Amino acid sequence: SSELTQPPSVSVSPGQTARITCSGDGLDRKYSYWYQQKSGQAPVVVMYEDSKRPSGIPERFSGSSSGAMLTLIISEAQVEDEADYYCYSTEKYGNHVIFGAGTKLTVL
Amino acid sequence: HVQLLESGGGVVQPGRSLRLSCAASGFSFNTSGMHWVRQAPGKGLEWVAVISKDGSTEYYRETVKGRFTVSRDNSQNTLYLQMDSLRPEDTALYYCAFIGAIYGVPMEDYWGRGTLVTISA
Repeated sequence: SSELTQPPSVSVSPGQTARITCSGDGLDRKYSYWYQQKSGQAPVVVMYEDSKRPSGIPERFSGSSSGAMLTLIISEAQVEDEADYYCYSTEKYGNHVIFGAGTKLTVL
Repeated sequence: HVQLLESGGGVVQPGRSLRLSCAASGFSFNTSGMHWVRQAPGKGLEWVAVISKDGSTEYYRETVKGRFTVSRDNSQNTLYLQMDSLRPEDTALYYCAFIGAIYGVPMEDYWGRGTLVTISA
């Protein structure tokens, strides 16, 4: 099965832009998504179909895709954005879900 | 109000079995493909299995294929995960979830609070 590769950690100061990348074979041929998971909580969708933001997610969250690389961008990051972020997609004709290993975002 | 409530976790020895349940309410359970996702302590999310809305089709990650069986009872709005031949590496918090984004409905993305499974001698 394919893998999604993310950096283990990203650290920024409040107000800076955080960029979290996700790469994997086939990402240029299918949609990908991002979950935010805060400590002790279930995941929340912050980006879907590469670059669409669900209602209720702050505008500082955006997504981009270039080839087999996906990027979650958090502009003017806030302390409350500290969380683990997982990219995910599907494989095997959409019948399996694959998650990246996750990126711990620190904002301080 | 959507609710997914997992139960059935516990501490069991390697090689033994457990059956997890997930009681769903507040959404159209019988029109939704449902997933099990697990998270080992301090680790990332790991997809385990999916079952189609009518229960006719199931898919599993390779490491649980042949040991785990996902099923559902739409009359009871309940999802199950039968776990046999358990291994220490199966230790995790097990979530049931409707992963709405992959079905084009990102605002309908529902997760339970999880049930903890610990495999230890």
